[in-house]
Amino acid sequence: GENVEQHPSTLSVQEGDSAVIKCTYSDSASNYFPWYKQELGKGPQLIIDIRSNVGEKKDQRIAVTLNKTAKHFSLHITETQPEDSAVYFCAARDGGYQKVTFGTGTKLQVIP
Amino acid sequence: SQTIHQWPATLVQPVGSPLSLECTVEGTSNPNLYWYRQAAGRGLQLLFYSVGIGQISSEVPQNLSASRPQDRQFILSSKKLLLSDSGFYLCAWSFETYEQYFGPGTRLTVT
Repeated sequence: GENVEQHPSTLSVQEGDSAVIKCTYSDSASNYFPWYKQELGKGPQLIIDIRSNVGEKKDQRIAVTLNKTAKHFSLHITETQPEDSAVYFCAARDGGYQKVTFGTGTKLQVIP
Repeated sequence: SQTIHQWPATLVQPVGSPLSLECTVEGTSNPNLYWYRQAAGRGLQLLFYSVGIGQISSEVPQNLSASRPQDRQFILSSKKLLLSDSGFYLCAWSFETYEQYFGPGTRLTVT
């Protein structure tokens, strides 16, 4: 089955700096890669996703890049704000299944 | 638009007691439904998923079971809770697209 590894587990940045979270996946058949933001005590919220036919996708201050050859993808947050503080999860989905495999999460702290 | 509901929001149950958590989705038909568990400070573990009424797939052997009695209703149950069943239980749905959307979760504490 799919295995998703996520790094780092914790990340502290100064407000206004950029944050980068990296994930690798094992199954070359995976073709969909979402990112979720989870605030304390709440359910994860889908913030951006990318499909395997695209190398990069951007939505305002958030961008995701995908390297299919190396089987890794990354989340980039620019101009970080205190409200970006949360746990972020990457995930990968095999096109033949209804299941999504999640990484172990990155706790991002943005210091004002 | 679609919305997903879970209840209760929090639950404290003694060891050996039964469990029933409910999840309902509004605004869509025949969604795929999922139950996840999240231990404190940990990632998301898929417990069950369903692609239709009465169709349940279990991902890991455990003390829990799931049922889908109606198209947009997904229930997580246990006959006898264990301490290790404590955690944050999340229901999610998806449809024809790949996006998966989560509910607000149920915090279960087994004492």
